[in-house]
Amino acid sequence: KAGVTQTPRYLIKTRGQQVTLSCSPISGHRSVSWYQQTPGQGLQFLFEYFSETQRNKGNFPGRFSGRQFSNSRSEMNVSTLELGDSALYLCASSLGTGQGSSGELFFGEGSRLTVL
Amino acid sequence: QKEVEQNSGPLSVPEGAIASLNCTYSDRVSQSFFWYRQYSGKSPELIMSIYSNGDKEDGRFTAQLNKASQYVSLLIRDSQPSDSATYLCAVSLYGNKLVFGAGTILRVKS
Repeated sequence: KAGVTQTPRYLIKTRGQQVTLSCSPISGHRSVSWYQQTPGQGLQFLFEYFSETQRNKGNFPGRFSGRQFSNSRSEMNVSTLELGDSALYLCASSLGTGQGSSGELFFGEGSRLTVL
Repeated sequence: QKEVEQNSGPLSVPEGAIASLNCTYSDRVSQSFFWYRQYSGKSPELIMSIYSNGDKEDGRFTAQLNKASQYVSLLIRDSQPSDSATYLCAVSLYGNKLVFGAGTILRVKS
C-alpha cells in the first residue's frame, strides 16, 4: 500500500511569492491534515480536510489556505511568503470516518520550504 | 504554560535498559493521547495511542495515562540503538487536531 506522497519535496521561494504544496493520502483515507514543523515552534496544526470540507483549523493567518479534491488529494497554499514561513510542511492522512477521528495519523515525508 | 510539555532531553540509556519518557498536558478535556517517533530527517510515525486511564502495551512499548494527573508516559523496554530518536507526545481534544509537545531526544548507547 503506497504511503502519503507530498510534492515537491524541496523548494526555495523569495519573500512575497506564493507557494502551493500537494499531498496524496493513502488510498482509502479521507482525512488530510497539514502541519508545520520548525525548530523553534515544533509541530503545529494548520488545518484538516475531510470530504472536501475544512473540518478543523489551527491558529495561522489567512495567508495559509488549503483545499481537498473529490479524490481526497489535498493542496495547501501560502501567499505573500515571509521569512518565518520557512519550515517543513507535513501532510498526514487518516481514515477520518465521519465526525471526529482517532488522531492516528500517517505522515508524508514533507515539503521543505525555504523563503529567502 | 505550554499545552503539552516534555523534557527535551537528551535522555541517555544503555542498551537493554528501560527508557521512560514523560509528558504532561494542560487541557483537562483532552480525549486522545499519542506517542510519535521521529528519526532525524524523517517524518513522525505513530507508535502508540491511548484513550483511557491505565496501561497499554504493544511489544516493547507501554503507554500509561493518568487523566487525573494530566500525565502520559511511554516506557520502552530492552532499549535498542535503533530506538534512538525524538519522541513526540501529542494530545487531541477531538479529531485530528493534535497538539504536539516539543519532543524528547532519546539516545540508546550500545
